[in-house]
Amino acid sequence: SQTIHQWPATLVQPVGSPLSLECTVEGTSNPNLYWYRQAAGRGLQLLFYSVGIGQISSEVPQNLSASRPQDRQFILSSKKLLLSDSGFYLCAWNLGTGDSPLHFGNGTRLTVT
Amino acid sequence: QQPVQSPQAVILREGEDAVINCSSSKALYSVHWYRQKHGEAPVFLMILLKGGEQKGHDKISASFNEKKQQSSLYLTASQLSYSGTYFCGSLYNQGGKLIFGQGTELSVKP
Repeated sequence: SQTIHQWPATLVQPVGSPLSLECTVEGTSNPNLYWYRQAAGRGLQLLFYSVGIGQISSEVPQNLSASRPQDRQFILSSKKLLLSDSGFYLCAWNLGTGDSPLHFGNGTRLTVT
Repeated sequence: QQPVQSPQAVILREGEDAVINCSSSKALYSVHWYRQKHGEAPVFLMILLKGGEQKGHDKISASFNEKKQQSSLYLTASQLSYSGTYFCGSLYNQGGKLIFGQGTELSVKP
């Protein structure tokens, strides 16, 4: 069966520090991978979307970046965090077909102080 | 293009019914519905493909009106466990990215 791992679960970082969040999927190959962010009490904002290794679509201009070095690995990074980067970050995958549900990781709660 | 959900919030008594609507200004390939409990990741409920489909899942069902580019989620005889934020997700083409609406917060009181 397929599983998705996302870590860490919580993170407190000072403004200006770097960020690296990692997500891996097991039990499937060539998944579509997503990074969403949810600010407190708000909706799910799509940040990045990938259909294959090295293929990243950035949805919102900001100081974050994403990489997909391996088929089932998706990394979210920042060189310098801003206060506004605080939120709940969710990695997700699906099979890229119209009838494939999105499977979410447990999320990372990031607080920038 | 983010789909628009209505209402933004709804409060129910246990056993009451609710309808949550999701509208798109662009032609949809499919609509997804998810529920998120506070502090947790969203959980998949159902997908509706174009073609006017209806689906059911216990006392939660949904419909998709392809002509109007609208989907509705129906919760009947609500239970306390139905509380949470409901999101619809729009897929505009097969293999495309899923864009979520702003969410509808549902509270079921005893």
